[in-house]
Amino acid sequence: KNEVEQSPQNLTAQEGEFITINCSYSVGISALHWLQQHPGGGIVSLFMLSSGKKKHGRLIATINIQEKHSSLHITASHPRDSAVYICAVLMDSNYQLIWGAGTKLIIKP
Amino acid sequence: EAGVTQSPTHLIKTRGQQVTLRCSPISGHTSVYWYQQALGLGLQFLLWYDEGEERNRGNFPPRFSGRQFPNYSSELNVNALELEDSALYLCASSLEEGRGYEQYFGPGTRLTVT
Repeated sequence: KNEVEQSPQNLTAQEGEFITINCSYSVGISALHWLQQHPGGGIVSLFMLSSGKKKHGRLIATINIQEKHSSLHITASHPRDSAVYICAVLMDSNYQLIWGAGTKLIIKP
Repeated sequence: EAGVTQSPTHLIKTRGQQVTLRCSPISGHTSVYWYQQALGLGLQFLLWYDEGEERNRGNFPPRFSGRQFPNYSSELNVNALELEDSALYLCASSLEEGRGYEQYFGPGTRLTVT
């Protein structure tokens, strides 16, 4: 079993839909990252969370430390949101970043 | 403020050759991380440097090595290249030791081994 599990693996939605991507982890962490990877490889850090909720524009990230679960939400989705979204946790034992497999999101106009 | 920079952007090498990839962190960041993303695979942690020292290493053979310079820039060296080393190599930097500090990624170097 992977230490970081993301769901769904693939998601196709229509423009305007509310998007939720989930991340569950099984290790002790000091922080959780949500990242966006565009075609060609460019990676952008969206959020770093250690508790609660963060919001940036149309993006919202939440984390429940007790349940070891985080969600990334996109409101009013747009085709430019199409990318791979990756959850990564920073282990509190050795500060190594453990990556989820990513969620490939396609937003159709 | 300039972001993380990497060079070169693309590189083609043949099996058995050696390659050096370079990374300049964001000004003020002392930690540099290297990751490999092979085709169809997720990101794999390679190396973490902080204050000039190797702090942690992923599950890669010794022919993957690197160093961090006094100005915090870093090099990743891969010796005796193999076909499966073809990948996108990403560098990231953070303020210090990765203790929950956000990592900022460079654009990557795409290495093709033929």
